Amino acid sequence: NAGVTQTPKFRVLKTGQSMTLLCAQDMNHEYMYWYRQDPGMGLRLIHYSVGEGTTAKGEVPDGYNVSRLKKQNFLLGLESAAPSQTSVYFCASSSATGSYNEQFFGPGTRLTVL
Amino acid sequence: AQKVTQAQTEISVVEKEDVTLDCVYETRDTTYYLFWYKQPPSGELVFLIRRNSFDEQNEISGRYSWNFQKSTSSFNFTITASQVVDSAVYFCALKGYSTLTFGKGTMLLVSP
Repeated sequence: NAGVTQTPKFRVLKTGQSMTLLCAQDMNHEYMYWYRQDPGMGLRLIHYSVGEGTTAKGEVPDGYNVSRLKKQNFLLGLESAAPSQTSVYFCASSSATGSYNEQFFGPGTRLTVL
Repeated sequence: AQKVTQAQTEISVVEKEDVTLDCVYETRDTTYYLFWYKQPPSGELVFLIRRNSFDEQNEISGRYSWNFQKSTSSFNFTITASQVVDSAVYFCALKGYSTLTFGKGTMLLVSP
């Protein structure tokens, strides 16, 4: 049981390049989330999904796209990377049932855009 | 909209001192959940505790304790007899009917 995994762990991009971050969970969770963490800003929600084939915008969605084609995977795409997207990206998942809906986090992806 | 405020950006203590991390929240939801996460230098997020809005009992887990006061919208976290391994960034978070909102975090540095 790996929990939530993220690929890659580190990446350096040049401005204008594109890339996709992959999040996978093996807990059969319905909900999945992408956050970004910047110094002094805490974690901010980019996009989330409440089920396969559905996505919704979070607090800071601009410049990102997401897809949830399979229940266990949640992809975060940057079509044209900008230096302002330099950040640490965390994926999380949670169950739709239960009172707490506790989110389980992946180890993070450190992205640098030059 | 919901909001979480961690007014202390950085705290430095010497080992064995007690330290309290403050968390104040705002929400209009009648049912909500509060969380604390720890982020050590290695970067992962470690879940510490959750508390629902109907349970104001304080909780103690080893050297950690949490004080939830609904009247002041606060959910403070105390580490007793701090250790160097407690050095980390600590995040308070709130989940109402919508998504999880994090505070900006408090960096705790425990010196030997």
